[in-house]
Amino acid sequence: DIQMTQFPSSLSASVGDRVTMTCRASQSISNYLNWYQQKPGKAPKLLIYAASSLQSGVPSRFSGSGSGTDFSLTISSLQPEDFASYYCQQSYRTPYTFGPGTKVDIK
Amino acid sequence: EVQLVESGGGLVQPGGSLRLSCAASGFTFSSYEMNWVRQAPGKGLEWVSYISGSASPIYYADSVKGRFTISRDNAKNSLYLQMNSLRAEDTAVYYCARGGSIRQIDYWGQGTLVTVSS
Repeated sequence: DIQMTQFPSSLSASVGDRVTMTCRASQSISNYLNWYQQKPGKAPKLLIYAASSLQSGVPSRFSGSGSGTDFSLTISSLQPEDFASYYCQQSYRTPYTFGPGTKVDIK
Repeated sequence: EVQLVESGGGLVQPGGSLRLSCAASGFTFSSYEMNWVRQAPGKGLEWVSYISGSASPIYYADSVKGRFTISRDNAKNSLYLQMNSLRAEDTAVYYCARGGSIRQIDYWGQGTLVTVSS
């Protein structure tokens, strides 16, 4: 199975900050990497697919990059509604594993 | 508008069975791959199972293989998850989820809670 790791596991930031989080796959997954946002008690929401493609309706302050094994999600200017948990997922090969998540909270 | 509505969750004893359903609307159901993803209380996301639009191929996580069965009825725009031999560690919110162009999950249901406990 392909293992996904994310770091940091949590971070504290202020509104307006630029935030970057990282996801690493245990083997190359090309660009089959997706990012989701989840708020407490809610279903996850797709933000980025294919490593860098912005899902329709997602604000442009979210961006993704990377290929192979190393990927990142950047929020260019953190907004109050962005405080949430973020998960990466590989869709290269089953099982379509998720990372353990990065929780973004208010500094 | 794409909608996925799960039902069938509840409390079940260890070793018992439960069948989850997902009613899909707002898109051509038969054209899309579907998944079940679960989340144990306070934990991260775990992919459970995948089914193509034509119902083949089908894939499962090792943790549920041999116990869970995914199926779909394209005439009824419905996805199912038959869960047998349930264990305490199967306790989770189960999400019905649509697959996208690179098998990303582009739409999620609201989830249904399954609790396995005596």
